[in-house]
Amino acid sequence: AQSVTQLDSQVPVFEEAPVELRCNYSSSVSVYLFWYVQYPNQGLQLLLKYLSGSTLVKGINGFEAEFNKSQTSFHLRKPSVHISDTAEYFCAVSGTSGSARQLTFGSGTQLTVLP
Amino acid sequence: DTAVSQTPKYLVTQMGNDKSIKCEQNLGHDTMYWYKQDSKKFLKIMFSYNNKELIINETVPNRFSPKSPDKAHLNLHINSLELGDSAVYFCASSQDGTVLSGANVLTFGAGSRLTVL
Repeated sequence: AQSVTQLDSQVPVFEEAPVELRCNYSSSVSVYLFWYVQYPNQGLQLLLKYLSGSTLVKGINGFEAEFNKSQTSFHLRKPSVHISDTAEYFCAVSGTSGSARQLTFGSGTQLTVLP
Repeated sequence: DTAVSQTPKYLVTQMGNDKSIKCEQNLGHDTMYWYKQDSKKFLKIMFSYNNKELIINETVPNRFSPKSPDKAHLNLHINSLELGDSAVYFCASSQDGTVLSGANVLTFGAGSRLTVL
């Protein structure tokens, strides 16, 4: 089974500042990793995913994340945030085959961008 | 045209009542899911159906019963509602195939907020 830990439940940051949202995972098998974003009163939508290949993946809205296998991390970054980035961000992990492909979500990080 | 639509968006009801939430997807996906999001935003999978067959059934009280009349619909019926059932319920869908082709990427509905009084 896989598990995900999002170390920060809330991250306040000023507009145009850089941000990093931390995610660590635990798994006994190979994994795929995802970041989803949930805007207020909406469902989740995919920001980016790591399946294989380059460990640096780019997503929508200027976000990127780096897969670090040795540190079992998949931190999300953006060099300059906007007010509109205020949302809840979820890291998720799945195994690569069989029943392990079920997605497991972290507990979420609320990003609040301040003017 | 909404890809995954849920109804109702809000549901307020008394303890002990029975209620249903409906979900429809027009993406042609083969797998549909129900997730529960509690007040702390924690997301937990409840059920998953693939082509109308139940494939994931997490530890959920048997008061919760999913029904999939066809692969585009997955409804959630809840009997004898309790205070702890208050949450936001999300329907989602994904396509079959390899992860590299897009499987494991979930498309979520906007959620149904259930409040049990």
